Amino acid sequence: QPVLTQPTSLSASPGASARLTCTLRSGFDLNDYRIFWYQQKPESPPRYLLSYYSDSSNHLGSGVPSRFSGSKDASTNAGILVISRLQSEDEADYHCMTWHSNAVVFGGGTKLTVL
Amino acid sequence: QVQLQESGPGLVKPSETLSLICTVSSGSITSHYWSWMRQPPGRGLEWIGYIHYSGSTVYSPSLKGRVTISLHTSKKQFSLKLTSVTAADTAVYYCARAFADGSSDYWGQGTLVTVSS
Repeated sequence: QPVLTQPTSLSASPGASARLTCTLRSGFDLNDYRIFWYQQKPESPPRYLLSYYSDSSNHLGSGVPSRFSGSKDASTNAGILVISRLQSEDEADYHCMTWHSNAVVFGGGTKLTVL
Repeated sequence: QVQLQESGPGLVKPSETLSLICTVSSGSITSHYWSWMRQPPGRGLEWIGYIHYSGSTVYSPSLKGRVTISLHTSKKQFSLKLTSVTAADTAVYYCARAFADGSSDYWGQGTLVTVSS
């Protein structure tokens, strides 16, 4: 079982909110992890969006709109990326990442379709 | 604004060594960490490893033993060598500026390396 698991795809409508999940493998405490989120559009490198550890320790990347926010869901052991007021330009792949056992691990990525 | 550019052969034969260079411009290489990552076609991102400007390295456990990342400070470059490649190493390879927690803020555009005879 991978350390981080993301749904393969998600669809949402323009103007609505999208909630992307990044589930940490069972047995590991989400409280100990900072979750990072990247956006990747076709034929482009990933773009750093934000990181979330707690409400008092989170960071929004330079130039990233405040429509993007992070959180955690303890009940599902998942990091959360919420994109509010969806725009067509938000259609992309979203990758979560964390530092685990002295290495970087990525989730498999979620393809967000805005339609 | 830091800019990074990957360069190297786009085709490597199986069992040979993949070698890439990342050139850093508009910024100093004598700070931060410097990472390599890859993305097989149609798949997710995989971290390869990073090097601190002091020269210390951390590698992915899955690639350790085959990978070497080096820093060439005077040229503002860092490099990746991956030995004994197979078709499974075919991917777009990215270099990036990183932090100790593994996150990366500036990325190169990526370069596709195909392993094939």
